[in-house]
Amino acid sequence: KQEVTQIPAALSVPEGENLVLNCSFTDSAIYNLQWFRQDPGKGLTSLLLIQSSQREQTSGRLNASLDKSSGRSTLYIAASQPGDSATYLCAVRGSQGNLIFGKGTKLSVKP
Amino acid sequence: EAEVAQSPRYKITEKSQAVAFWCDPISGHATLYWYRQILGQGPELLVQFQDESVVDDSQLPKDRFSAERLKGVDSTLKIQPAELGDSAMYLCASRPRQGARTEAFFGQGTRLTVV
Repeated sequence: KQEVTQIPAALSVPEGENLVLNCSFTDSAIYNLQWFRQDPGKGLTSLLLIQSSQREQTSGRLNASLDKSSGRSTLYIAASQPGDSATYLCAVRGSQGNLIFGKGTKLSVKP
Repeated sequence: EAEVAQSPRYKITEKSQAVAFWCDPISGHATLYWYRQILGQGPELLVQFQDESVVDDSQLPKDRFSAERLKGVDSTLKIQPAELGDSAMYLCASRPRQGARTEAFFGQGTRLTVV
């Protein structure tokens, strides 16, 4: 059974710092991996989608990497801003089609 | 920009009452999911549809939960009777089609509180 773990559970950084969020999964037989952002009480906003054949994807200040063989992904956020404060979730998709999520990393960026 | 629409945004119901949530996926998306997210946890799949057919409902508590997508477009998730432990965020998501390496899009969710 696929399990997704995100470390750390919470992170607090000063504005302007670069930071890395980690995601690991137990079964490397995935189709793709998706990173989401969730603001309090809101739904999920898709940030980046990495296919299993890709090593990384970039969108603005965000860069996500994928090492499928070792079951790891990282989300790198450059020059963090207070508006980046949210919970970040990673999810893997296997052959069944559904997404399996980690518990998320709650990020707080202090002005 | 196309969005997944969900209603209501918030719902407070008494224990043992019936409650229903509605989801309208992005136009043309064949795959629709219902997820439940307990506070502080990641979302967990309840049911997955491909068009009007259920693909996976193995985690759906079928004694009290039901889901339908009659015309393969919008979907309804029902709980009867509601229990205190059902308090959670209910999220709907859609994708263009199953099996393809496509991105999933989520709605804003319905926050259910059972009192």
